[in-house]
Amino acid sequence: KQEVTQIPAALSVPEGENLVLNCSFTDSAIYNLQWFRQDPGKGLTSLLLIQSSQREQTSGRLNASLDKSSGRSTLYIAASQPGDSATYLCAVRPGTSGSRLTFGEGTQLTVNP
Amino acid sequence: GAVVSQHPSRVICKSGTSVKIECRSLDFQATTMFWYRQFPKKSLMLMATSNEGSKATYEQGVEKDKFLINHASLTLSTLTVTSAHPEDSSFYICSAPMTAPSSYNEQFFGPGTRLTVL
Repeated sequence: KQEVTQIPAALSVPEGENLVLNCSFTDSAIYNLQWFRQDPGKGLTSLLLIQSSQREQTSGRLNASLDKSSGRSTLYIAASQPGDSATYLCAVRPGTSGSRLTFGEGTQLTVNP
Repeated sequence: GAVVSQHPSRVICKSGTSVKIECRSLDFQATTMFWYRQFPKKSLMLMATSNEGSKATYEQGVEKDKFLINHASLTLSTLTVTSAHPEDSSFYICSAPMTAPSSYNEQFFGPGTRLTVL
């Protein structure tokens, strides 16, 4: 059974700092991995999707990497801003058929002005 | 990115009533949609997989008769919470993977529905 773990559970940083969020998964046979952002009381916004054959994806100040063999992904946020404050979730899709995702518990990020 | 909508965004009902939540993929077709439940400060818990034209697949421990799912078209899935009780109060979120034109199956989520049962 796939298990996804995110570390740290919570993180508080000053504005402008670069930071890394970690995600690990136990079964390396994944189809893809997605990073999401969730604001309080809201749905999930897809940030980045990395296919199993890819090593990284970039969007603006965000960079996600994937090391499938070691079961790890990182989300790098450059020059953090107070507006980045949210919960960040990673989710993996299995390599077998079906689209269901397995989620981590999330990292709650607070960027202080 | 693709858009998934949910309606209503918030509902308050009396215990014993039934509540229907709609999930729509606005700009793509989805043969499969997923329904999640989220408790405060917790991650998403998959409740069921909604399949267009066939029965939904429920996760272990989720009551089929309690949470009725109907996937009537390629853009609409509904979740009906029957005979709602206060313990059903939660945040319900749906998602849909986009299979075309991209084959990446990127999943897009609705904004969620906050259900409060009095």
